[in-house]
Amino acid sequence: QKEVEQNSGPLSVPEGAIASLNCTYSDRGSQSFFWYRQYSGKSPELIMSIYSNGDKEDGRFTAQLNKASQYVSLLIRDSQPSDSATYLCAVKSTSGTYKYIFGTGTRLKVLA
Amino acid sequence: EAGVTQSPTHLIKTRGQQATLRCSPISGHTSVYWYQQALGLGLQFLLWYDEGEERNRGNFPPRFSGRQFPNYSSELNVNALELEDSALYLCASSPRLGLGANVLTFGAGSRLTVL
Repeated sequence: QKEVEQNSGPLSVPEGAIASLNCTYSDRGSQSFFWYRQYSGKSPELIMSIYSNGDKEDGRFTAQLNKASQYVSLLIRDSQPSDSATYLCAVKSTSGTYKYIFGTGTRLKVLA
Repeated sequence: EAGVTQSPTHLIKTRGQQATLRCSPISGHTSVYWYQQALGLGLQFLLWYDEGEERNRGNFPPRFSGRQFPNYSSELNVNALELEDSALYLCASSPRLGLGANVLTFGAGSRLTVL
């Protein structure tokens, strides 16, 4: 089982729709969760971080965390073509290993 | 404020050679992470350095090694290069303490091609 799993996509959504990206993780000791965006040929950049169960909203982005189900999601409202990128889920464990592990990413395409 | 800088941008080597990649973290950051991003494989964790010490390493053979210098810059060495080492090598830095310690800021990467 991979430590952090994401559907590779591509996930195609029309402009203005809600894009829903999902991530599961295996280490129950994980405490910190992140979503990074990576445009083609560029390095990843942080979009959202979430540390406690529930929802966290920042502009058009909402991160959702369910530690019991070991599940993290990212919702992008009013998707724009400029949102087309690969979205990487990252998990930081504090249970002794302090590893910062990334999923393989989900490629999002927003169709104009 | 300067970001994370990596050098070289591109590096071409042949099988069996050694490659050295360098990273300068953001000023004030003491943690440096190295990741390998091969085509279609996502970011694979290589090494984590903090305060000059190797704190953790991923599932890579010992020919992948590195170090962190007193000024917190870091270098990644890859010995006995193999074709499958061809990838983008990303360096990221973070502060050691506080909430900022959870956020990685990445450099632009060094693309290594092994022929």
